[in-house]
Amino acid sequence: ILNVEQSPQSLHVQEGDSTNFTCSFPSSNFYALHWYRWETAKSPEALFVMTLNGDEKKKGRISATLNTKEGYSYLYIKGSQPEDSATYLCAPYNFNKFYFGSGTKLNVKP
Amino acid sequence: GAVVSQHPSRVICKSGTSVKIECRSLDFQATTMFWYRQFPKQSLMLMATSNEGSKATYEQGVEKDKFLINHASLTLSTLTVTSAHPEDSSFYICSARERTSGGSPWGPSYNEQFFGPGTRLTVL
Repeated sequence: ILNVEQSPQSLHVQEGDSTNFTCSFPSSNFYALHWYRWETAKSPEALFVMTLNGDEKKKGRISATLNTKEGYSYLYIKGSQPEDSATYLCAPYNFNKFYFGSGTKLNVKP
Repeated sequence: GAVVSQHPSRVICKSGTSVKIECRSLDFQATTMFWYRQFPKQSLMLMATSNEGSKATYEQGVEKDKFLINHASLTLSTLTVTSAHPEDSSFYICSARERTSGGSPWGPSYNEQFFGPGTRLTVL
């Protein structure tokens, strides 16, 4: 079992604020890291798959970076909107399995 | 995108009864399906991996006789919680992995999973 930690556990921001949160994971035997966005009562939705140290992915206002040597990934949201409110999960993938963090719950107030 | 449905979305049952949860891939063939469980304020924990036509592989600490998994077709896997007890109350969610042919944008090695919306089980 991989120990995956996400911080903060929850986050409240105002509309328009930029924000970021962290995913930490064991750096040994790293294969890939997935970020998911999970809205209440919906299915988790894949955001990014990252594999290479120094990887940076972007989708609209959301971007992510990866450091496999030190075992962390950052997710950034620029100019948060109420529709960004969701739980963001990171999941290192190894040994043919996903290992999920407990997520960061983001609430964006209008 | 790939869609996975899960039924029921919510179930309340009496202690001692069995509950069946269905996971279906609607627009793709899923050679592998995964079953996860999430307790309040905790992370999704993998319970078992189910391959079509073969026995499921259970994670350590998950009782295979209590959580029966059947993956009889490429689009359907079921999880049956047998003789459910209050401590089995949890959120159960499945995911399905598409049969990859090398044409996926992720590449066949990354094995993207598509999740269902989950089932909230409450055992009284």
